Amino acid sequence: AQTVTQSQPEMSVQEAETVTLSCTYDTSESDYYLFWYKQPPSRQMILVIRQEAYKQQNATENRFSVNFQKAAKSFSLKISDSQLGDAAMYFCAYRPMNTGFQKLVFGTGTRLLVSP
Amino acid sequence: EAGVTQFPSHSVIEKGQTVTLRCDPISGHDNLYWYRRVMGKEIKFLLHFVKESKQDESGMPNNRFLAERTGGTYSTLKVQPAELEDSGVYFCASSQGLWGEQYFGPGTRLTVT
Repeated sequence: AQTVTQSQPEMSVQEAETVTLSCTYDTSESDYYLFWYKQPPSRQMILVIRQEAYKQQNATENRFSVNFQKAAKSFSLKISDSQLGDAAMYFCAYRPMNTGFQKLVFGTGTRLLVSP
Repeated sequence: EAGVTQFPSHSVIEKGQTVTLRCDPISGHDNLYWYRRVMGKEIKFLLHFVKESKQDESGMPNNRFLAERTGGTYSTLKVQPAELEDSGVYFCASSQGLWGEQYFGPGTRLTVT
């Protein structure tokens, strides 16, 4: 069974600083997607960044980037130049690519606190 | 364009009562998913509809949960009778096409006392 582990229940960062959120996963599949979702307080969860496992290049979206280590099954999220609006719950998620099932498998989440 | 909407935003019921949660997906999205997050734990998949058909219901915890999607538009998730362990946040998501990005609703917080 696929599992996703986020070992940091809570992280803190100051504005303009950089923070890295950790995620590891377990799967026997070779092709899959990995995602980071952000859920601001009392708001909808939105997709931050997506990585296809077959791509060696790490995905980047503006201030958000990932460090994808396929052999180590690690998928960390780096937020650069942190802003107050980055404060949220962050969920790492996995989805296999070549099966008939499209469900996402999530970790337990990391709460990111951003201070001025 | 309206996003995924869920109703109610919060429901408090007593053990043994019935509750029905509703999800309205983004217009045109054939795929609809239900997930649940029990406090402090991971978000877990419950089931997946393609139009009005259940594609995957492997995550449904037991037969106290009944999901429907009549007409392939909105979906309801009924819990009857509710138990204390059913408390949590129920999320709905929809996507266009099987591999499209899943867009999430704000969730319904269910508290069973």
